[in-house]
Amino acid sequence: KAGVTQTPRYLIKTRGQQVTLSCSPISGHRSVSWYQQTPGQGLQFLFEYFSETQRNKGNFPGRFSGRQFSNSRSEMNVSTLELGDSALYLCASSPVGPGDSMNTEAFFGQGTRLTVV
Amino acid sequence: DQQVKQNSPSLSVQEGRISILNCDYTNSMFDYFLWYKKYPAEGPTFLISISSIKDKNEDGRFTVFLNKSAKHLSLHIVPSQPGDSAVYFCAARNYGGATNKLIFGTGTLLAVQP
Repeated sequence: KAGVTQTPRYLIKTRGQQVTLSCSPISGHRSVSWYQQTPGQGLQFLFEYFSETQRNKGNFPGRFSGRQFSNSRSEMNVSTLELGDSALYLCASSPVGPGDSMNTEAFFGQGTRLTVV
Repeated sequence: DQQVKQNSPSLSVQEGRISILNCDYTNSMFDYFLWYKKYPAEGPTFLISISSIKDKNEDGRFTVFLNKSAKHLSLHIVPSQPGDSAVYFCAARNYGGATNKLIFGTGTLLAVQP
């Protein structure tokens, strides 16, 4: 079974531009979450999608948005890029829905390394 | 407000010895805890988890201990191997919040010396 696939792996953008990152979850997984990793900050939660609906959102400005399609693939968009948006963006998929009583881990993709210059 | 804390940014141990990585949390609603391992330029990979109804879980060389009264968990790796050198993240989840959101610590860089 293929893992979580994120594209592109690397991206360089200029301040003020916008960017769209893509995530294909593991087949059969309907829950997708996004995280931002910056040095010294660990992984910060961005948003969570299940069945095409945003279920939870982290403490990020409105420039960060996302969506999920009917095939569970997800995209996140960052508009008006700032230098501080340079980070590794990670997507994770889970076989269980939010609030499901079954404990299971989230499976992460390899991430998209975004550099804003 | 950092709800999950890993106070040791780095740890160095000799091959064959025990590695102990620590994690503290503040939210008593957390009921599921996970450890992930991360190599540079890769995504985190799941190592081991523990439910709040247990105080210990073992998987091969990896054991996680949970002390709910102290809001503390630890990951023991015995024996440590050079391939274990990576960043280790502790994470927590609150199922009462109807979410799969994970709260991560800032990570501990483990270096296992041959």
